[in-house]
Amino acid sequence: DAGVIQSPRHEVTEMGQEVTLRCKPISGHNSLFWYRQTMMRGLELLIYFNNNVPIDDSGMPEDRFSAKMPNASFSTLKIQPSEPRDSAVYFCASSADGSTDTQYFGPGTRLTVL
Amino acid sequence: GENVEQHPSTLSVQEGDSAVIKCTYSDSASNYFPWYKQELGKGPQLIIDIRSNVGEKKDQRIAVTLNKTAKHFSLHITETQPEDSAVYFCAAKPSSGTYKYIFGTGTRLKVLA
Repeated sequence: DAGVIQSPRHEVTEMGQEVTLRCKPISGHNSLFWYRQTMMRGLELLIYFNNNVPIDDSGMPEDRFSAKMPNASFSTLKIQPSEPRDSAVYFCASSADGSTDTQYFGPGTRLTVL
Repeated sequence: GENVEQHPSTLSVQEGDSAVIKCTYSDSASNYFPWYKQELGKGPQLIIDIRSNVGEKKDQRIAVTLNKTAKHFSLHITETQPEDSAVYFCAAKPSSGTYKYIFGTGTRLKVLA
């Protein structure tokens, strides 16, 4: 199995630009999670999808952040407009069943907003 | 609220020695405890996990123990090797039917050759 796939691996952009991060979960998994990791705050859950439906987006920091999951094999996290404080590593994780099973993480996207 | 405390924050051991990382959780209904290893520039990788109906689990050089009464669980790495150097995170899942993990703050393990 290829594992969770994320792209791009690195993104450098200027303040005010739109950023789109992409994720392909493990085939057959029905739960998808987006996390943000910073030194100050550690791993923070941003949003959780189950069967392509957003279940909990309480961790999304602001309206500038949005996430979609148009089908079982693809999700995006968008930041518009981006700000320097959004600089972090963003991880996508998937699990076979969000309520009972292990979460498997992707390699992450390191975002730098100048 | 739910909380997981992880100690120590940094740990240096000589190659071949053992390393122990401890986590304490607050929600007694927690029932699943995974451990992740994160190497520089990579995502967290599951290395071992334990469920609340088991007291100990072992996989080669790695073992996890769970004390439900005291609400703590520990990661044990024996015969450490330089490639064990990484940041290790514990997590607790508060109860059945929930999806959120409560993560510890991480332990940076350095194995000295």
